[in-house]
Amino acid sequence: GQSLEQPSEVTAVEGAIVQINCTYQTSGFYGLSWYQQHDGGAPTFLSYNALDGLEETGRFSSFLSRSDSYGYLLLQELQMKDSASYFCALNQAGTALIFGKGTTLSVSS
Amino acid sequence: SAVISQKPSRDICQRGTSLTIQCQVDSQVTMMFWYRQQPGQSLTLIATANQGSEATYESGFVIDKFPISRPNLTFSTLTVSNMSPEDSSIYLCSVGLADEQFFGPGTRLTVL
Repeated sequence: GQSLEQPSEVTAVEGAIVQINCTYQTSGFYGLSWYQQHDGGAPTFLSYNALDGLEETGRFSSFLSRSDSYGYLLLQELQMKDSASYFCALNQAGTALIFGKGTTLSVSS
Repeated sequence: SAVISQKPSRDICQRGTSLTIQCQVDSQVTMMFWYRQQPGQSLTLIATANQGSEATYESGFVIDKFPISRPNLTFSTLTVSNMSPEDSSIYLCSVGLADEQFFGPGTRLTVL
């Protein structure tokens, strides 16, 4: 089977940097994605790593190491609006996603 | 990008009944996906719907319980059959474009 592990909760203050780790077990995948979901909202795409290394998109960066079955999402210059749930997900054939359990990020002032 | 709408946005149903959820996309796509998200939980893939062929179901989900239609490249329906309170959840459809998935707003289902 496939599984992903990520911390259930992370707290931080405005302006700080936070890293959300994701470890996974799978027999095969195309890449690792990250999605953000605010309460009551739909998940929205943040980042995707098909290859090992770092991908940077504005304040958000994502990293993948296939040899370590590990990835992370790095959020910089945190803002209150970043308070949300963050999911790592394995990209399968046809872009179907297998999601981790999610990390709730709480940003305080 | 893709814009996805779902109907209904929410419903309260009696056990033993069925509900059909509609998903409309603003562009033609090959695959559409249906997910379930129970309150405070992660998303679980129910099935992948291709136009013109049977849907592919994930482990733990069966066609008799969650029949899916995909009559064209912009539309799909998911039916939740013979509902029980355990089916209370948010049901989301999505489409994949390149490496990104776009999600509909979800249908919040409560079964009494």
